[in-house]
Amino acid sequence: DADVTQTPRNRITKTGKRIMLECSQTKGHDRMYWYRQDPGLGLRLIYYSFDVKDINKGEISDGYSVSRQAQAKFSLSLESAIPNQTALYFCATSDPDGEETQYFGPGTRLLVL
Amino acid sequence: AQSVTQLDSQVPVFEEAPVELRCNYSSSVSVYLFWYVQYPNQGLQLLLKYLSGSTLVKGINGFEAEFNKSQTSFHLRKPSVHISDTAEYFCAVSKAGSARQLTFGSGTQLTVLP
Repeated sequence: DADVTQTPRNRITKTGKRIMLECSQTKGHDRMYWYRQDPGLGLRLIYYSFDVKDINKGEISDGYSVSRQAQAKFSLSLESAIPNQTALYFCATSDPDGEETQYFGPGTRLLVL
Repeated sequence: AQSVTQLDSQVPVFEEAPVELRCNYSSSVSVYLFWYVQYPNQGLQLLLKYLSGSTLVKGINGFEAEFNKSQTSFHLRKPSVHISDTAEYFCAVSKAGSARQLTFGSGTQLTVLP
């Protein structure tokens, strides 16, 4: 089984709708991240969390919110989706003890019409 | 703040030829450097990383990279590529001492031709 899973893998929604993207991990890592990927722009950090009580804004947090329900779960919400939020969204985890490596989920492809 | 520039958005190369993917970074503090690879329809996985020590870093699948502080570069190389190396490659940088915030480059699409 994959260490970092994301649901759904694909989602089509309409402008103005609220949607939630979910991320679960079995790696036991404290740190979790949400990124979006746009063609030609690489990955940009939306939010990150170092533990259940620690949530931090990233580079592009406007229009998004997150919830860290447990060490293993980190959800990203779009309160009112807009077309320019159409992108590929990745969740990642990392271990604070030395490895400095982030482990990525398979991604959620979101289309906002 | 740190920034990363990947100078080539697309690199086509024939199978068994050598390849170099270029990455330059900008930072006012010491950095950690990473190369990640994204195969089609998959998430990113780590190829290699430089944290400290030897400036020549070897990674998975025969890739290596050299940290050049004076030129602020971290170019990725492979002496002989395979069709299976076709993927998008991302260079990333973080402040040394903590990889809590990675800044990614825009990516380089490597296409290996038969």
